[in-house]
Amino acid sequence: SAVISQKPSRDICQRGTSLTIQCQVDSQVTMMFWYRQQPGQSLTLIATANQGSEATYESGFVIDKFPISRPNLTFSTLTVSNMSPEDSSIYLCSVGVRVYNEQFFGPGTRLTVL
Amino acid sequence: AQTVTQSQPEMSVQEAETVTLSCTYDTSESDYYLFWYKQPPSRQMILVIRQEAYKQQNATENRFSVNFQKAAKSFSLKISDSQLGDAAMYFCAYRSTLYGGSQGNLIFGKGTKLSVKP
Repeated sequence: SAVISQKPSRDICQRGTSLTIQCQVDSQVTMMFWYRQQPGQSLTLIATANQGSEATYESGFVIDKFPISRPNLTFSTLTVSNMSPEDSSIYLCSVGVRVYNEQFFGPGTRLTVL
Repeated sequence: AQTVTQSQPEMSVQEAETVTLSCTYDTSESDYYLFWYKQPPSRQMILVIRQEAYKQQNATENRFSVNFQKAAKSFSLKISDSQLGDAAMYFCAYRSTLYGGSQGNLIFGKGTKLSVKP
């Protein structure tokens, strides 16, 4: 299986600031996914990050608000910019590993915006 | 676009009993994957069971089994001999094969919160 770590595990931030979340995978993967889980809700895909190309964003999510980097095949970052209390959520990164035919998730980052 | 519906926001089961969680989905594709994920309070997403749409046989993993009805677009999860550790949010998820197997993203239902009574 793929082992995924995320940093930070949780943070409390002030309105108007930005937070960068890191996702590290123990194997090379082509695509990485970033999901948002608002309190008591399901997971919603923010964007898909391919190494060496621009991330693809889902409807309702824009690059200026959620810039993503994917510098290599094992690492990605998601930045939540100009935060407001509505951004308080759990952010999860996920990877698909073809040989296991399943997706693996990181432990998530719990963000609280005051 | 594909959608996944879980009509039971909460379910409760007595320890050692059996419970079934419901999931329906909508798609125009003929080949896809379906999953059940468990999310305990630790918030780690854990894969419970997986079903390939081209397989008629229902998937089974120890105490967990599915009832996959492709024509009805139904994918229910049965948990037998429920244990206290089974208490969690359970999410049904769909993945297209269009992006090449495991590469595609998941579409999730809203989840069912399962409580297990001792």
